[in-house]
Amino acid sequence: EVHLVESGGGLVQPGGSLRLSCVGSGFTFSSHWMSWVRQAPGKGLEWVANIKEDGTDKYFADSVTGRFTISRDNAKNSVYLQMDNLRAEDTAMYYCARDCLGGCFDNWGQGTLVTVSS
Amino acid sequence: DVQMTQSPSALSASVGDRVTITCRASQSIDSELAWYQQKPGKAPKSLIYKASNLGSGVPSRFSGSGSGTEFTLTISSLQPDDFATYYCQQYRTYKMFGPGTRVDMK
Repeated sequence: EVHLVESGGGLVQPGGSLRLSCVGSGFTFSSHWMSWVRQAPGKGLEWVANIKEDGTDKYFADSVTGRFTISRDNAKNSVYLQMDNLRAEDTAMYYCARDCLGGCFDNWGQGTLVTVSS
Repeated sequence: DVQMTQSPSALSASVGDRVTITCRASQSIDSELAWYQQKPGKAPKSLIYKASNLGSGVPSRFSGSGSGTEFTLTISSLQPDDFATYYCQQYRTYKMFGPGTRVDMK
């Protein structure tokens, strides 16, 4: 069974940084693109970033380009989201998701909450 | 950018009802569309991919159809477990979700 577990969320001041982690199990991690998707409180879903199987290609939503970076360590079955220069509007539940062929998401983690506030 | 809309934004239905949700794209996305179900406080769950393909373990009462710019998600006979919010998502050009349709109990 596919399992994704996020960690690293918390309360951070505007302008601060946070690094989220996601560990995958139950599948061949190195064979899948991985994504981060977020959901602000009471709002809809927003794709944030994704990364190719070997880490060589990365894509970002316009709203986070230049502030967020995505990376992975296939030896640790992990994908990371480094978030810098955080803003209040980055407050959200952040989900790790496994990409299915073409760009949908077939498995999701339970999420980790990021709150940006002074 | 491809923009996604859903209609209705919310609906009330009873167990056993047939429910249909529509998703429209601002330009053609071929069949690059997925549907997700989300319950309050929970992560989304994959239902449909490539417009009409049922995800693993998804009950057969769920079905998807459409191509180009107009798509539908149909629940043939609504069950108590189906009260939730449903999102469409295009992946033809980057990834964009629709605003969601909340299905609640009449």
